[in-house]
Order: sequence, then C-alpha cells, then structure tokens
Amino acid sequence: GNSVTQMEGPVTLSEEAFLTINCTYTATGYPSLFWYVQYPGEGLQLLLKATKADDKGSNKGFEATYRKETTSFHLEKGSVQVSDSAVYFCALSSSNTGKLIFGQGTTLQVKP
Amino acid sequence: GAVVSQHPSWVICKSGTSVKIECRSLDFQATTMFWYRQFPKQSLMLMATSNEGSKATYEQGVEKDKFLINHASLTLSTLTVTSAHPEDSSFYICSAKLQGANTEAFFGQGTRLTVV
Repeated sequence: GNSVTQMEGPVTLSEEAFLTINCTYTATGYPSLFWYVQYPGEGLQLLLKATKADDKGSNKGFEATYRKETTSFHLEKGSVQVSDSAVYFCALSSSNTGKLIFGQGTTLQVKP
Repeated sequence: GAVVSQHPSWVICKSGTSVKIECRSLDFQATTMFWYRQFPKQSLMLMATSNEGSKATYEQGVEKDKFLINHASLTLSTLTVTSAHPEDSSFYICSAKLQGANTEAFFGQGTRLTVV
C-alpha cells in the first residue's frame, strides 16, 4: 500500500542554519506530494505541494522537489528562524478523493 | 485560503459519555470532509471520509458504531465519540477539500479530547 516515511526527529538547529528534512514515499501511480506544518496546539497548515515529477513546491523560504526516480520529496530551507519551530509532516495523495497519507512527522526546534 | 473551523478546541468528559465534535467549512462548500486522529508525537491517522448526504466511509480498524459521523450539509460534518473511554483520548482533526481534482484540503485547528 501507499506510505510515507520521514526522518526521525527531533531536529535541533541554530538560527540561520540550513534545514533538510528527508521524506520518501511508496505509491502506485503518480501521487501528489505535500508538506504540512503544525504549530503547537494548532491544526495543520499546507506549506507547499507538488503534483507531478520534477515540480518544485516553495513557500516562505521552504522548498521541496518531487523526485520520481528516488521517490523523494525532501524539505529544505536555507536559513531557519526560531519561528519555524514546529512539526512538519510529509504527505501524499494518490487519488482525486483528497485522502492524505501522512508520514510520522518531524519536530524541528530552532534555537536563537 | 479557505477556513475550516472545529468546535470545541478541547473537551474533557467522563467515561461512558458521548462527545460531539463539529467541523465547519466557513467560506466554501465541502462535499467531502475527512476525520483524522493524532496520538501524542505521532502522525495523523485517517479515520473516515465524510460525504455530504451519504454514509461515511471508515478506514480499516475504525469502529463505525464508536465514531459516528454525520455530514448533513455542505458546510458541516460532525464526529460523535460514543461511550467514550480513556483510550479514546486523543487529538482529532478534520479537513475539508475543495471540489475538483488535485485541490487542497484545509484543516481545522483540532479538538483535544480527554476522557477521565
């Protein structure tokens, strides 16, 4: 079945450091890929998405490229801020139903 | 973006009682809503897909008699946890999808349920 695997956290970085959170997936067909962010005590917010191979999603300095050959969708940011501290979820949708399959989430803590 | 509102944000109830959680799409119509459950420090697990005007589709292992879902209008879906027990304590999150292919799903802020 379809699945998403993320690197285990927590990830602790200093402000302005480079961030990479790895995400790989298993799916039949051509899924859409997403990164969601969850701030403490809140619901999920869509951070970025890519709907086909080689697409790059970007938002708020975060980027991720849909790599079909490596079945990956790694999240990157060149310079993190304390306000980026949150839990990040990689997800896929393999149909038009909107049903999402999530990875286990990666907690990011950015220290001043 | 579109707004999805969940109510209540948190609730504490006694074992054996039932709790209803509401999920509303405030500025768009959602023919499909989804209910997820999130355990502490774990990912979201899809519980069921709620379709307006028809029965919900439950994921494997989710008790439909335990988690009653009603989607009576294009802007409201409800999840009722019946005869709640401490193991039902969790963070429940709904999402609503815009109509059309490859459209975004918007999430509510979640409901923290504690059963004592």
